[in-house]
Amino acid sequence: DGGITQSPKYLFRKEGQNVTLSCEQNLNHDAMYWYRQDPGQGLRLIYYSQIVNDFQKGDIAEGYSVSREKKESFPLTVTSAQKNPTAFYLCASNRVGGSSYEQYFGPGTRLTVT
Amino acid sequence: QQQVKQSPQSLIVQKGGISIINCAYENTAFDYFPWYQQFPGKGPALLIAIRPDVSEKKEGRFTISFNKSAKQFSLHIMDSQPGDSATYFCAAIIETSGSRLTFGEGTQLTVNP
Repeated sequence: DGGITQSPKYLFRKEGQNVTLSCEQNLNHDAMYWYRQDPGQGLRLIYYSQIVNDFQKGDIAEGYSVSREKKESFPLTVTSAQKNPTAFYLCASNRVGGSSYEQYFGPGTRLTVT
Repeated sequence: QQQVKQSPQSLIVQKGGISIINCAYENTAFDYFPWYQQFPGKGPALLIAIRPDVSEKKEGRFTISFNKSAKQFSLHIMDSQPGDSATYFCAAIIETSGSRLTFGEGTQLTVNP
């Protein structure tokens, strides 16, 4: 089955620790995205990448970092500099040159930092 | 800056009723307006989308109405069912300049049996 895999589903960390969220896709999509979802605030774009070894900051990139070494993988690191990291994180992908409005989302990772 | 405003934040409808969710946008450069549906614990999935040169688009029980002059669009769910209970997000994109979607705040819909 083609799709996007995010792991783990739930993640718990202590304040001050960096944590990396995994995102893998086997849809052969060029573009990948990371969103943060908080109640009442919709989906806010953290980082996106349209090609391997290149990525751009989204609207709320501070305190986050990403890498795109392979087409299939787009891991997100939540650093200790992120002031309020507890949230639901969603990874998405789509084809460059296709219907840009149709993004395919993974099941999400719920991160809790205490 | 929030460029797509969505209302209401939550909505409760009886089975068989009509659910209506509204969105307003600011940037007239947006050229595609999709709606996403998200079930609890899942990622959103594309439900239906419309271009601004079309006033209405219908797919089954779901209809998008678009008012270009008012810069508003809405989702209507006819004959709402308990299985429609989910969070709905409107979004907007400038397709010709990249793939960045701008999402509304979301509406949590509950359809009571």
